[in-house]
Amino acid sequence: DTGVSQDPRHKITKRGQNVTFRCDPISEHNRLYWYRQTLGQGPEFLTYFQNEAQLEKSRLLSDRFSAERPKGSFSTLEIQRTEQGDSAMYLCASSFGGPTEAFFGQGTRLTVV
Amino acid sequence: AQRVTQPEKLLSVFKGAPVELKCNYSYSGSPELFWYVQYSRQRLQLLLRHISRESIKGFTADLNKGETSFHLKKPFAQEEDSAMYYCALSGIKQGGSEKLVFGKGTKLTVNP
Repeated sequence: DTGVSQDPRHKITKRGQNVTFRCDPISEHNRLYWYRQTLGQGPEFLTYFQNEAQLEKSRLLSDRFSAERPKGSFSTLEIQRTEQGDSAMYLCASSFGGPTEAFFGQGTRLTVV
Repeated sequence: AQRVTQPEKLLSVFKGAPVELKCNYSYSGSPELFWYVQYSRQRLQLLLRHISRESIKGFTADLNKGETSFHLKKPFAQEEDSAMYYCALSGIKQGGSEKLVFGKGTKLTVNP
């Protein structure tokens, strides 16, 4: 599968622990997006990168969330001191030149117990 | 504020019947509108976008700026159309945000 890949696919963690997710975009794509999706809702935007620069962050993204894209390739999303409300599907997408052709990964399902 | 409303959470039709999935949006300028689809156990994928004015898998969607709507239509539904459908908008056309704003989705079931 040469599409967007995310790792891990599932993560169960205890409240208060830190977690990190990885996203590998399609190789020639310069844009990388993170979304969060909870049950019964559509994906909600968290942040996006153009190459290695983080150009926009949602107000949903509290100080406990941080994302990086070193060297403009893969990206990581870290959540510190997880809370039960962080339980969701975290989706990564990539595109070349804007969201009009965004390709999504399978997502990482986070469960905070 | 940017908002996308999909009024139907669930929609059920019989095979061969016409189907229309509703989408209304709120945006102060001229957004780009998209329909994304997620089949069972598959990733979210782009179905179509309004600037392309194309028909994909028999689906079409027309942007109605007066009614701020972008309804998705297919004249004859097939069982393989059963999926979750999300309407989304972006403000990128006017140099706005590149983020996609999604509706809550409509689950379409096509019965045999």
